[in-house]
Amino acid sequence: DTGVSQNPRHKITKRGQNVTFRCDPISEHNRLYWYRQTLGQGPEFLTYFQNEAQLEKSRLLSDRFSAERPKGSFSTLEIQRTEQGDSAMYLCASSLESPLHFGNGTRLTVT
Amino acid sequence: QKEVEQDPGPLSVPEGAIVSLNCTYSNSAFQYFMWYRQYSRKGPELLMYTYSSGNKEDGRFTAQVDKSSKYISLFIRDSQPSDSATYLCAMRAGAGSYQLTFGKGTKLSVIP
Repeated sequence: DTGVSQNPRHKITKRGQNVTFRCDPISEHNRLYWYRQTLGQGPEFLTYFQNEAQLEKSRLLSDRFSAERPKGSFSTLEIQRTEQGDSAMYLCASSLESPLHFGNGTRLTVT
Repeated sequence: QKEVEQDPGPLSVPEGAIVSLNCTYSNSAFQYFMWYRQYSRKGPELLMYTYSSGNKEDGRFTAQVDKSSKYISLFIRDSQPSDSATYLCAMRAGAGSYQLTFGKGTKLSVIP
């Protein structure tokens, strides 16, 4: 069990650019989640995969956000046309049933 | 009113003190309750996981859930400087729902 791995750890981008983050879950976990956390707040749910199927999406996930999990293994989260309000920590978690195990996140700064 | 309320602190205690952290919630569908610890610039780390009402103990940590009052607690005995972190409560509804709802987190400092 090497834990949930997220890359990159930090990303600085200019407003309007596209960014993509990667998450490698714990190997036997079939469920994968993306959360967003801003300073002083708890994580907020974005989306959930069971194997390769995206089963839940939050209304926080605007059309500029897209997530994939090809072959039910790693996942990517892409943000198109980034805005300053997208600056946050993006956390990935995985589980078999419950509870969730989180990675250390990707910190995005949009300038 | 947010679904989960948690006092953000900060809370500062001397080493060896008993720490009490609490959350209240409004959604009666919540059945699974968790406490996570988050160090600065790290992801949340699971501390305690409980189902429905009752107590659960693990080492220096005790989690309590009172569903009738919609109130959950985490107690830390013999607190250590290494316990200094932000503590997040989280909860979810029953089978078929895997979306966690978090509190804001309480920032704890344990002073040597």
